Amino acid sequence: EAGVAQSPRYKIIEKRQSVAFWCNPISGHATLYWYQQILGQGPKLLIQFQNNGVVDDSQLPKDRFSAERLKGVDSTLKIQPAKLEDSAVYLCASSQQRGGLETQYFGPGTRLLVL
Amino acid sequence: AQSVTQLDSQVPVFEEAPVELRCNYSSSVSVYLFWYVQYPNQGLQLLLKYLSGSTLVESINGFEAEFNKSQTSFHLRKPSVHISDTAEYFCAVSGGQGAQKLVFGQGTRLTINP
Repeated sequence: EAGVAQSPRYKIIEKRQSVAFWCNPISGHATLYWYQQILGQGPKLLIQFQNNGVVDDSQLPKDRFSAERLKGVDSTLKIQPAKLEDSAVYLCASSQQRGGLETQYFGPGTRLLVL
Repeated sequence: AQSVTQLDSQVPVFEEAPVELRCNYSSSVSVYLFWYVQYPNQGLQLLLKYLSGSTLVESINGFEAEFNKSQTSFHLRKPSVHISDTAEYFCAVSGGQGAQKLVFGQGTRLTINP
């Protein structure tokens, strides 16, 4: 079974530029998560989707971050414009369904450096 | 709201020595507890989890953790570590009926010296 795929693996941009990350969850997984992991900290949930609907985006900085999950499969996370403090690893995870305690499977992450 | 504190940011140990990685949590509701491991240049992987039942849970590679409700702790232990256990370990909590949101601790970097 293929795992969670993310691209790109690395991205370097200048502040005020825009960037987008892509995630393909494990086939059949209804729930998808985006986490931000700043160096030296644990991952922090940015947004959670159930199929193509948003379940929790309470910690998403909506003035600059946006995410979508069209057709309930792949997802894209965008930052526009980027700030220096957005430098982090962006992790995508998926699980089979909400309502139970399904294991979350994580992708390898996208490492973003904002200069 | 839940929170997790991992008391040690780095733990160096010698190969074949025992190790304990400490994790404390706070929550106003019943919790479910997890340990994730992140090997160098890899994604997070679930190591073990406590949902209900026996307070002692084990992983397939010799780690175990014990849920202690009175001390609000979920410490991770292994009686004899191997070089391959070098990784960063994250404790996480999820709370409430059907809640899936994971709140992670800051992580503990385990370094095994030969």
